[in-house]
Amino acid sequence: QSVLTQPPSASGTPGQRVTISCSGSSSNIGSYSVNWYQQLPGTAPKLLIYSNNQRPSGVPDRFSGSKSGTSASLAISGLQSEDEADYYCATWDDSLQGVFGGGTKLTVL
Amino acid sequence: EVQLVESGGGLVKPGGSLRLSCAASGFAFSSYVMHWVRQAPGKGLEWVSSFSRTGPYIYYTGSVKGRFTISRDNAKNSLYLQMNSLRVEDTAVYYCARGGGLATTDFDYWGQGTLVTVSS
Repeated sequence: QSVLTQPPSASGTPGQRVTISCSGSSSNIGSYSVNWYQQLPGTAPKLLIYSNNQRPSGVPDRFSGSKSGTSASLAISGLQSEDEADYYCATWDDSLQGVFGGGTKLTVL
Repeated sequence: EVQLVESGGGLVKPGGSLRLSCAASGFAFSSYVMHWVRQAPGKGLEWVSSFSRTGPYIYYTGSVKGRFTISRDNAKNSLYLQMNSLRVEDTAVYYCARGGGLATTDFDYWGQGTLVTVSS
């Protein structure tokens, strides 16, 4: 069982806006920045959002992140078929460990 | 171009040992915190261990403490993970990742991963 809680699945149709939630506690999300990763099938994860809401160079502005209290969320607007992937949130914890969410499988219908 | 290339994975019996290596190139290796992250077959990501730029800050996830040892050789641009007393549940693809800092999880570059299979 993961320290950070994500819905196991999410879906949307092309062009829609979808959000993926990530719930934690005061010892992790409440105290540290949240990062988001996209993992396409058979590939290594890719950093999508860092420091709660910053996009690395090359990541489309369709992807955005936010954090409030002990929860964070990833929003994808203008959904595209190539966005179909697994998405993970991650942060640090006061127990001196990195922690990931269980992952959300996004399906583009 | 930043590259991280893992090696050393393979099949090992429970209780056995393996040493993973990660060869880094294309950036100033000694300036970055480095991490190991693993992913069991069909499962999610799990952070394993972090090593600060020059030490002595080293962190491990609870399930590997006392069994795994992370190390780095800045002169060789390499990161290592010595894994002892391996268990079936350690079976996973192990990724080497470059980090933005200590006590953070913003891993901006990842290797392709190396598969470790623990089975009798």
